[in-house]
Formats: sequence, C-alpha cells, structure tokens
Amino acid sequence: SAVISQKPSRDICQRGTSLTIQCQVDSQVTMMFWYRQQPGQSLTLIATANQGSEATYESGFVIDKFPISRPNLTFSTLTVSNMSPEDSSIYLCSGQGIGDEQFFGPGTRLTVL
Amino acid sequence: EDKVVQSPLSLVVHEGDTVTLNCSYEVTNFRSLLWYKQEKKAPTFLFMLTSSGIEKKSGRLSSILDKKELFSILNITATQTGDSAVYLCAVLHDYKLSFGAGTTVTVRA
Repeated sequence: SAVISQKPSRDICQRGTSLTIQCQVDSQVTMMFWYRQQPGQSLTLIATANQGSEATYESGFVIDKFPISRPNLTFSTLTVSNMSPEDSSIYLCSGQGIGDEQFFGPGTRLTVL
Repeated sequence: EDKVVQSPLSLVVHEGDTVTLNCSYEVTNFRSLLWYKQEKKAPTFLFMLTSSGIEKKSGRLSSILDKKELFSILNITATQTGDSAVYLCAVLHDYKLSFGAGTTVTVRA
C-alpha cells in the first residue's frame, strides 16, 4: 500500500486568507484525489489531481476557490483560497494504485476564524 | 444520482458481541466497493470487493458483496473496545469514490 503524507497536519487561519496543503506519496500512483470532510459528515470528493494539467473538479467545487497542482506523479497541492468559517474541515488527499484501492493521507484539520 | 447508503447510522455494543454493518448502493459504472475504518482523521483501508459472493476476511472482520442486490455487509466478531470507530463504505464507479455517511460503532467494555 502507498504511504501518503500531508502537511500541515492542522492550522488555524483568519478569514480571507489562503492555505496551501501539500501531499506526498512514497510510490507512483495512477491517480491522486482531494477530499473534504466537514464536521460530522462523510467524505466528499473535491477534485482529481491530474499530472501536468488542470484538475478535474466535482460539482460544487471550482478552481478559483480550490486551485490544485500536481507537477509530478507523487506530489500534489491543494489551496483553499479566500477562506471563510464554512471552509473549516478536514482535507484529505488520497492515492489510487493499479489495483483500484485508494489510500488516504493523515489529513489536514483546518479551522477558519 | 449516485447513492451509497449505510445502516445503521450508529450502534452501541458490548465487548464480545458481533456487529453487522450494511451498505447499499446505486451508481453508474460500478467497479468495486471498499470498506474503511476511521478513528481520528485518515480512513484506514479494510477491504476491496469486486466480485459477488466471495467473502474477504481479515482477523475478526469479514465482508461480502452482492452485486445483484447491490449491497455489501461488514461483520465484526468478538468485538473489542479498539473496534470503536466510524466504518465507511465507498463505491468506486468510473474513476471516483462515493462515500456513504458512515456507521459509528461504539464498543463498551
């Protein structure tokens, strides 16, 4: 299974600012994804991070709010822009290998004041 | 609209009990069904099921998929307090995972 690291593990931010979350996998994966888990809820897919091209966003998520980069096969970033308290969530990245299993990073707990 | 429904939403059992968690789904282009355990932040992978009727086991946990009736169950036997967690069912369809709401299992000593 892939080992996935994320940083920061948590942050407290002021509204109107932006935070960039980094995700690193220890082996090549075919696909990388970003999820959001709001308090008390399940995981919701934000977007698929595509290597060297624009991410594919799910309904309700837009590039201006959640810009994503994936410069190579094992690294991706998610930026949460112009934050508001409603953005307070856990943000998780995942990697999917050839066998379709998805493994998750430890998550980033974001609190926006 | 794609749906993944888990039941029950929560349950409380005592150590040594057996629990059965349910997951039903309606999605287009089904590929596989995955179970995860979530204790604090990151979901931990448990099983991936692709074929009907083939039970997967890992210690006291087991799971099976019925692709005709579109559901899966996750069993935990001889429960321990360390089994307390949220159990998530997710369905891989097309290229993405859709998650159910999760079942919160609390095991009391």
